[in-house]
Amino acid sequence: NAGVTQTPKFQVLKTGQSMTLQCAQDMNHEYMSWYRQDPGMGLRLIHYSVGAGITDQGEVPNGYNVSRSTTEDFPLRLLSAAPSQTSVYFCASSYRPTSGEAFFGQGTRLTVV
Amino acid sequence: AQTVTQSQPEMSVQEAETVTLSCTYDTSESDYYLFWYKQPPSRQMILVIRQEAYKQQNATENRFSVNFQKAAKSFSLKISDSQLGDAAMYFCAYRPSNTGKLIFGQGTTLQVKP
Repeated sequence: NAGVTQTPKFQVLKTGQSMTLQCAQDMNHEYMSWYRQDPGMGLRLIHYSVGAGITDQGEVPNGYNVSRSTTEDFPLRLLSAAPSQTSVYFCASSYRPTSGEAFFGQGTRLTVV
Repeated sequence: AQTVTQSQPEMSVQEAETVTLSCTYDTSESDYYLFWYKQPPSRQMILVIRQEAYKQQNATENRFSVNFQKAAKSFSLKISDSQLGDAAMYFCAYRPSNTGKLIFGQGTTLQVKP
């Protein structure tokens, strides 16, 4: 099992560019989510999914899109990158019911210049 | 709104000593889960310990234990016999029942002095 695979690990974007952060899990987890980590603010939820075809917004969804066409994949799209989106991004997955832990990808450090 | 607060941005402990990291949360739910995650410089999020709200007994994992006070909405982490490898950022997280959403605290950076 690879667990949660997140790519790329590092990315530099210019303001206005778009890109997709990839996230894949091979544990057949129903729940998947995206977080961003900023200094002094912990991890904040961007979008999440409870299963294929079902997504919902988290705390900080503006500027990001997601889709979940399969159980395994949950990509995060930045539509038009802004310097405020400079952050470390984490994808996570977990089983339903929720007593289990969330498994995290290795994170993507994104810099928007 | 559900919130998690870690009021100690930084803590330090001498190697082999004991340290306690604080966490409080706010929720109107009665069924939920609480976690402590460790994030070393590698950035990887590592589960340290978990607590189910319906369990009165405090969770323990080797040198790590929690003090779960449900009425006070407090969930502190105690690290005994601290080791250099414990140096990391620690996040407290709350998870409502029947959802995969985690709500994190701001994090506490733990320094372990040799």
